[in-house]
Amino acid sequence: DIVMTQSPDSLAVSLGERATINCKSSQSVLSSSNNKNYLAWYQQKPGQPPKLLIYWASTRESGVPDRFSGSGSGTDFTLTIRSLRAEDVAVYYCQHYYSAPLTFGGGTKVEI
Amino acid sequence: EVQVVESGGGLVQPGGSLRLSCAASGFTFSNYWMTWVRQAPGKGLEWVANINHDGSDKNYVDSVKGRFTISRDNAENSVYLHMNTLRAEDTAVYYCGAAVGWIFDYWGQGTLVTVSS
Repeated sequence: DIVMTQSPDSLAVSLGERATINCKSSQSVLSSSNNKNYLAWYQQKPGQPPKLLIYWASTRESGVPDRFSGSGSGTDFTLTIRSLRAEDVAVYYCQHYYSAPLTFGGGTKVEI
Repeated sequence: EVQVVESGGGLVQPGGSLRLSCAASGFTFSNYWMTWVRQAPGKGLEWVANINHDGSDKNYVDSVKGRFTISRDNAENSVYLHMNTLRAEDTAVYYCGAAVGWIFDYWGQGTLVTVSS
């Protein structure tokens, strides 16, 4: 099974500043057949289901603000929130979909 | 408008059974993989199972293999999770999700399963 490790567990960022969340997979999630990274990022606010932000490691879901961006390849990935807003307070999860079982990282709590 | 609505959660004793249902609308259900993801109280997300478009391919996390069964009815735009031999550690909010490939686009609000005597 692929283990997803996120860091940090939590971080406090001032409004308007940048938040950076890291995610590392225990094995590569880059497919040699299509050169795509099978990595997604989700945002979860209290009492709500997860919301898809990023897939294929760097493709923003429709309607997601462009202050959210994903980068990385192979085993190391980053979610960046440029210019944090109050409504971005949430827990963020990375998740691979390379093979079953799909697994999530432990989550990163972003606070102001 | 896309809607995904879970039901069937509740309180069940250890060793008991429960069937969760998920009704979907607003998208072409038969084009989507469907999945169940759970979240124990105060914990992170855990993928549980998924099923392909016609039900011919199913995958499970190891901790539920042999106890849980995922199924779907495309005529009813519904997916189910049959849970047997429930344990305390199965206590969680169970979310139903719809995926293009295995990318979860749509989610329900979840249904709470509590396993306790």
